[in-house]
Amino acid sequence: GAGVSQSPSNKVTEKGKDVELRCDPISGHTALYWYRQRLGQGLEFLIYFQGNSAPDKSGLPSDRFSAERTGESVSTLTIQRTQQEDSAVYLCASSTRQGYGSNEQFFGPGTRLTVL
Amino acid sequence: AQKITQTQPGMFVQEKEAVTLDCTYDTSDPSYGLFWYKQPSSGEMIFLIYQGSYDQQNATEGRYSLNFQKARKSANLVISASQLGDSAMYFCAMGLNTGTASKLTFGTGTRLQVTL
Repeated sequence: GAGVSQSPSNKVTEKGKDVELRCDPISGHTALYWYRQRLGQGLEFLIYFQGNSAPDKSGLPSDRFSAERTGESVSTLTIQRTQQEDSAVYLCASSTRQGYGSNEQFFGPGTRLTVL
Repeated sequence: AQKITQTQPGMFVQEKEAVTLDCTYDTSDPSYGLFWYKQPSSGEMIFLIYQGSYDQQNATEGRYSLNFQKARKSANLVISASQLGDSAMYFCAMGLNTGTASKLTFGTGTRLQVTL
């Protein structure tokens, strides 16, 4: 079956512009996560959605970052007034099981954002 | 707060030899899961193995095994019979088993290079 897909795969933008990154999770997966990976570093958690519960936004670095999810499907991560430090790969992941036991997250290929 | 520490920025191993990648973690929560992901140069995140905090036995998946020492809060990954295709970044991560979807906290990664 189809995995997690993300678009665009690459995005180059100018400082100060807004960008939207899209994630299509695996069908049936109730949980969806966004992470950021700066060059040569590990993944930083940004936000996650679980069903109809309020999203956990605790990882968002500033109020320029926001995300939405439509039901249990597509999610959009929006970065307003982009800064050069926002340059990174933005990874989306989804998972199906809750809580106990393996909660393996399946990752998309990422969107490489470059802010000039 | 959860923390993952990977102290080896880079490792070399000869083909067909075994290698251990170190990971220590810190959490006050009694219920958690530990994950290892592989990230080749292509950038995708590939799930390798999972260990739950209450699991009595060390996890194994093919050539991958997890040396889980709960008292020492370590979850080292052992790769047996290394292959050239194992060359990649390896990330250790932790999620909480709280009954809901759980974000993952990642370490900074270890770059493994398999040589002839």
